Amino acid sequence: GESVGLHLPTLSVQEGDNSIINCAYSNSASDYFIWYKQESGKGPQFIIDIRSNMDKRQGQRVTVLLNKTVKHLSLQIAATQPGDSAVYFCAERPLGEKLTFGTGTRLTIIP
Amino acid sequence: ETGVTQTPRHLVMGMTNKKSLKCEQHLGHNAMYWYKQSAKKPLELMFVYNFKEQTENNSVPSRFSPECPNSSHLFLHLHTLQPEDSALYLCASNRGEGLSTEAFFGQGTRLTVV
Repeated sequence: GESVGLHLPTLSVQEGDNSIINCAYSNSASDYFIWYKQESGKGPQFIIDIRSNMDKRQGQRVTVLLNKTVKHLSLQIAATQPGDSAVYFCAERPLGEKLTFGTGTRLTIIP
Repeated sequence: ETGVTQTPRHLVMGMTNKKSLKCEQHLGHNAMYWYKQSAKKPLELMFVYNFKEQTENNSVPSRFSPECPNSSHLFLHLHTLQPEDSALYLCASNRGEGLSTEAFFGQGTRLTVV
């Protein structure tokens, strides 16, 4: 079946460095993608989204890249801070269908 | 704060108890969702309400019973749960089911069944 998955379950990054979190998706009909951040004890928080007619979108310190050829999505976080420590997961939505979520990558910032 | 409020934040219940989870949003959204989040698993969609009508029941056991009295409120009634039902239950809302817009999540209810 279709699935959304993440390449790495954990990622440790030095404070101040850039982080890259990857996500593979398999449903070629997906046209909308979201990255969420979930801190301990909290619900998922929207970070950034991208539609399939784009290949890059930038927010505040975050950039999402979409490569439809290889069905790959990535989240880049610039100059990581301790507050960036969380679980990050991607979600995809095939047109007119439900959001499907990945299992998540735990990002740990090393002081 | 995302605008989606869930109560209670924590709940411990016995297998013979009956309890309810509550979700409230005042974002003007028309779709509301219940998700189950277990350790090391993706978010599992349980129920979807669009304009107060249930449009999805994702093969959820009948011991979970949703209720959506209006577009702003969503309940999940629980009875005779099993220990494996212990999880974080998340409510979310967005402008409409099937629309390509982000879902806003509540903080969740951490449920422990003993």
